[in-house]
Amino acid sequence: DVKVTQSSRYLVKRTGEKVFLECVQDMDHENMFWYRQDPGLGLRLIYFSYDVKMKEKGDIPEGYSVSREKKERFSLILESASTNQTSMYLCASTSGTSYNEQFFGPGTRLTVL
Amino acid sequence: GIQVEQSPPDLILQEGANSTLRCNFSDSVNNLQWFHQNPWGQLINLFYIPSGTKQNGRLSATTVATERYSLLYISSSQTTDSGVYFCAVASVGGATNKLIFGTGTLLAVQP
Repeated sequence: DVKVTQSSRYLVKRTGEKVFLECVQDMDHENMFWYRQDPGLGLRLIYFSYDVKMKEKGDIPEGYSVSREKKERFSLILESASTNQTSMYLCASTSGTSYNEQFFGPGTRLTVL
Repeated sequence: GIQVEQSPPDLILQEGANSTLRCNFSDSVNNLQWFHQNPWGQLINLFYIPSGTKQNGRLSATTVATERYSLLYISSSQTTDSGVYFCAVASVGGATNKLIFGTGTLLAVQP
């Protein structure tokens, strides 16, 4: 079974802090994604990556950056956390073949005070 | 961009009842998936179904791509079916893996 893990289940940070959210998948998937989930808005794509060192902006990239130095790891970075970035963050991966099922991690609930 | 609408937004069922969840989308798609998010937040892929019909136990899904909708059927519902059901699509001409999510249907199954 595909396993997608995220570094923290819950995280509390202060405004202005630099925040790293880590995601690791163990199935050699090419594609990885970061979403945020807010009540009433569903999931919105922040960034995605098709390969190592490649990244593309999603629908809401402002205030975020990403890093993919190794195929299995995709990091989301909040350079200077703000209260409006309080949210649930979900990482996903997919193999990029014709069967594009996305597998999700358990999520990180981030609170910025 | 493509719009995804799910209905109903909320649904309460008694255990054993059947239900149908609907997903409408505003443009042609090359990817459509249904997900279940359990009360602890974990999203599980239920179906990859850009067209046609699939069944998996008590769940089945049908996508009529020409009419731009998909249906998720839950039969003989159980309390473990509770949670949020999301439909997500990728539009033709865009990246197949770049999914746009609907806002979900919140299902509560009561014993």
